[in-house]
Amino acid sequence: NAGVTQTPKFQVLKTGQSMTLQCAQDMNHEYMSWYRQDPGMGLRLIHYSVGAGITDQGEVPNGYNVSRSTTEDFPLRLLSAAPSQTSVYFCASSYRGHYNYGYTFGSGTRLTVV
Amino acid sequence: KNQVEQSPQSLIILEGKNCTLQCNYTVSPFSNLRWYKQDTGRGPVSLTIMTFSENTKSNGRYTATLDADTKQSSLHITASQLSDSASYICVVSDNNDMRFGAGTRLTVKP
Repeated sequence: NAGVTQTPKFQVLKTGQSMTLQCAQDMNHEYMSWYRQDPGMGLRLIHYSVGAGITDQGEVPNGYNVSRSTTEDFPLRLLSAAPSQTSVYFCASSYRGHYNYGYTFGSGTRLTVV
Repeated sequence: KNQVEQSPQSLIILEGKNCTLQCNYTVSPFSNLRWYKQDTGRGPVSLTIMTFSENTKSNGRYTATLDADTKQSSLHITASQLSDSASYICVVSDNNDMRFGAGTRLTVKP
């Protein structure tokens, strides 16, 4: 099925470990973003990309890196995991201007850092 | 302070009943407002989008209203079903960003 695919769905990390959350979309969307969702808070933007080779920081970028080598893929890297990064992470994509076209979201990755 | 405030935080209703969820925002300038439905363990899915000139928009049993003067929106669910149990998220966009509310958690009980 077309859409946004995130892997893994669940992950437990030890403090200090690194890992990459994968995100792929097959809709030829230009915009891709990573959000984190914490209890009692709205989704917060970590990083986003307006096209292959272009990335920028969102509201809460510290501790995360991204790259966009292809239109389809937008991985999120945690450099040295901390308990504060325990959260549910969503990847989203949109055709051009996301604020007008809205996002298609992946199913999320639930990350626990112990 | 969040620029998008939703109320109530949670709501429990019986199957078949109606309910209304509220969204107040301070985002400016205003571009559009969306309501998303997020099932447990899933990503949000768009229900409706409203622009400045639209007062009401329906999607099946979901009806969204917008008062751009008072910066308020509501989502009314008619004849609720068990499958309506989910979080409902209000998202307000200016010309550059999307601001997410924390959501209202709706539980529909038989």
